[in-house]
Amino acid sequence: DQQVKQNSPSLSVQEGRISILNCDYTNSMFDYFLWYKKYPAEGPTFLISISSIKDKNEDGRFTVFLNKSAKHLSLHIVPSQPGDSAVYFCAAIKGQKLVFGQGTRLTINP
Amino acid sequence: DGGITQSPKYLFRKEGQNVTLSCEQNLNHDAMYWYRQDPGQGLRLIYYSQIVNDFQKGDIAEGYSVSREKKESFPLTVTSAQKNPTAFYLCASSIRGAGGIGQFFGPGTRLTVL
Repeated sequence: DQQVKQNSPSLSVQEGRISILNCDYTNSMFDYFLWYKKYPAEGPTFLISISSIKDKNEDGRFTVFLNKSAKHLSLHIVPSQPGDSAVYFCAAIKGQKLVFGQGTRLTINP
Repeated sequence: DGGITQSPKYLFRKEGQNVTLSCEQNLNHDAMYWYRQDPGQGLRLIYYSQIVNDFQKGDIAEGYSVSREKKESFPLTVTSAQKNPTAFYLCASSIRGAGGIGQFFGPGTRLTVL
């Protein structure tokens, strides 16, 4: 039962353009969502979060949008940089636990 | 400086052997977590502990055991009962009650069972 889904396993974007990573969820009881960035053979690092009472949160080049009616969130990175190449996980909070999506591998091309 | 350490980074074991993965944190966090990552899948929670001498099963606890005798340490034992032990294992910690919001992750241990 995959409660958090990232349906795109990979995404390729030109340097300087916008990267849009998508995430869908099924449980309307989630009240907080997070995005993590992960390099190979390293632990994930927290990127940005959004509460379910908001529809947008922005932090520098990163913006997360939440559409509760569609149970959908997205992460926008603009402009994309080579160092953004990594695997991105969305996650939802359920009590004291995190529920993760499968991840999307983002590749930024020069 | 503060952080979470997991050792070793790579671990190899023969099938049928138990193996213990180390996780230590000096962040003074009460809560600690163990996750497993497999290719094409997100992180899945194995066990978590909110306080010393107490821990709860996560979503995939079968074949694993943990202990929490000290605040700083949360070792994970992969037993021979775990059917697919080869994976990347991640430890995390957070302030008690912070739950998912404040989880910091260690660098991970890649376990390969031959």
